[in-house]
Amino acid sequence: GQSLEQPSEVTAVEGAIVQINCTYQTSGFYGLSWYQQHDGGAPTFLSYNALDGLEETGRFSSFLSRSDSYGYLLLQELQMKDSASYFCAVREYNFNKFYFGSGTKLNVKP
Amino acid sequence: DAGVTQSPTHLIKTRGQQVTLRCSPISGHKSVSWYQQVLGQGPQFIFQYYEKEERGRGNFPDRFSARQFPNYSSELNVNALLLGDSALYLCASSLEQGAYGYTFGSGTRLTVV
Repeated sequence: GQSLEQPSEVTAVEGAIVQINCTYQTSGFYGLSWYQQHDGGAPTFLSYNALDGLEETGRFSSFLSRSDSYGYLLLQELQMKDSASYFCAVREYNFNKFYFGSGTKLNVKP
Repeated sequence: DAGVTQSPTHLIKTRGQQVTLRCSPISGHKSVSWYQQVLGQGPQFIFQYYEKEERGRGNFPDRFSARQFPNYSSELNVNALLLGDSALYLCASSLEQGAYGYTFGSGTRLTVV
């Protein structure tokens, strides 16, 4: 089976840097994705890591360590609009399924 | 360009009834996946369809079924509704079966009473 663990809630101030961790256990790992979801909205794709290392996309970066079954999402220069839930999702080896964590609610304060 | 569109946006059904949810993917996207999101939880995978064939199925009972049409739109059907089926049902589309980034629709909020 699959299991993913993320912190349930994180609070940070505007302009700061925050890291959201994700540890996973899966029978067939192929990659790790991150999604953002505002209250009442659709999940929005942020990043994907298939290989170890850091992927950078603007203010957001994502890291993966396959040997540690661990990844994180790094958000820099936090803005109020970054307040949302963030989900990590493991892609199963047969490509067709993503298993999502329970999400981390990020609260950005002025 | 239109994103992923789902209908209806909200729905209230009674236990034991049947429901059909609809999804139109982004133009040109051939893969459609369905997810169930219970309040406070992450999306759970239900089905993936590609080129009108089922390519993946999650751990959901046989009461859940789906299909994809020649125009790549899709329907999710749920029979014999239970209170526990109350959730946000999300449709996601991608260009190909093996894409790693999906575009989600805003979902259908199903309430079973």
